[in-house]
Amino acid sequence: DIRMTQSPSSLSASVGDRVTITCRASQDISSYLAWFQQKPGKAPKSLIYATSSLQSGVPSRFSGSGSGTDFTLTISGLQPEDFATYYCQQYKSYPFTFGGGTQVEIK
Amino acid sequence: QVHLEESGGGVVQPGRSLRLSCAASGFTFSSFAMHWVRQTPDRGLEWLAIISSDASNINYLDSVKGRFTVSRDNSANTLFLHLDSLRVEDTAVYFCTRSFVYGVARAHAFDFWGQGTRVTVSS
Repeated sequence: DIRMTQSPSSLSASVGDRVTITCRASQDISSYLAWFQQKPGKAPKSLIYATSSLQSGVPSRFSGSGSGTDFTLTISGLQPEDFATYYCQQYKSYPFTFGGGTQVEIK
Repeated sequence: QVHLEESGGGVVQPGRSLRLSCAASGFTFSSFAMHWVRQTPDRGLEWLAIISSDASNINYLDSVKGRFTVSRDNSANTLFLHLDSLRVEDTAVYFCTRSFVYGVARAHAFDFWGQGTRVTVSS
């Protein structure tokens, strides 16, 4: 199985900050990488697929980059509603696997 | 708008069975592959299974293969997950998700998620 490792596991940031989350795959997944946002007690929300393509309705302050094994999610200008946990996921091969999550907290 | 709603969760004893349902609306259900994903505090998000739009292709996470069965009823716009021989470690929130296909390789990317249904396996 492909292991997905996220870093950091948590971070503190202020409204307006630029935040970067890293995801590393244990083997080459090309661009088959997605990002999800989850708030407490809610279902995950799909943000990005194919490494950098925004899902419909996702604000442009979210962006993704990378290829192969190393990927990043960047939030440019953190907003109050962005405080949540973020997960990466590979879907290059079964079983699809998720990273352990990065909790973005208010500083 | 797309809506997925899971049901069927609850408290069940180890070794027993449970059937989860996911009612879909707001889109042509028979045109999309569907997935089950579960979440626990310890193991995080764990993909369980995919069923193709016409149910001709199914894949499972190895650790649930033989115990969990995914199916769908396209006439009723409903996805199912039958959980057999339940274990304490199957305690989780179970989500259904939709995927869309893109690219030459026909990769499956998730877009919409249901709100989840909680399964607790306990004696």
